[in-house]
Amino acid sequence: EDQVTQSPEALRLQEGESSSLNCSYTVSGLRGLFWYRQDPGKGPEFLFTLYSAGEEKEKERLKATLTKKESFLHITAPKPEDSATYLCAVQFQGAQKLVFGQGTRLTINP
Amino acid sequence: GAGVSQSPRYKVAKRGQDVALRCDPISGHVSLFWYQQALGQGPEFLTYFQNEAQLDKSGLPSDRFFAERPEGSVSTLKIQRTQQEDSAVYLCASSLALLDTQYFGPGTRLTVL
Repeated sequence: EDQVTQSPEALRLQEGESSSLNCSYTVSGLRGLFWYRQDPGKGPEFLFTLYSAGEEKEKERLKATLTKKESFLHITAPKPEDSATYLCAVQFQGAQKLVFGQGTRLTINP
Repeated sequence: GAGVSQSPRYKVAKRGQDVALRCDPISGHVSLFWYQQALGQGPEFLTYFQNEAQLDKSGLPSDRFFAERPEGSVSTLKIQRTQQEDSAVYLCASSLALLDTQYFGPGTRLTVL
């Protein structure tokens, strides 16, 4: 069965302390991997799409990378406003739906 | 421009009641998706439409769940005879075309007492 697993479940950092979130997947054929940010009481907000191994995307303090079996979301010198749940989702070949991981709850302390 | 909107934002129902949740997609978006998100979990796929055609409803948990998009724009997710396990946030997403990025609405939080 196709699965998406995110780790860690929760991460607490000090402001300015860089780290990475992991998303691993088992899939028969990957079409695309998506990262979303979700704030409490809101819907997921689109961040990045990655399509092939070796691809990287950047936006402000965030950089997403993709290998054949996992993706990393690197956060550099985070600020308190980066606190949120980060969701990884995979779209498989021949399917339109997204399969989500359970998310990583990130807290940045000032 | 305007994003995906959902109404109501919050709904409390007594067990056994029927509910209807509405989704207004981004204008011009052909594809529309419904997801269910339990507390502390990632969203799970329910069903999707291309225009007015419902192409996949494999994620609907039971025959109490029904979705429609009669004119290829607004969609309604209906849950009949609600049960406590139906309590969740129901998210709607739309995309310009199939396989394009899905943009999500704020969700409807359903609580069944």
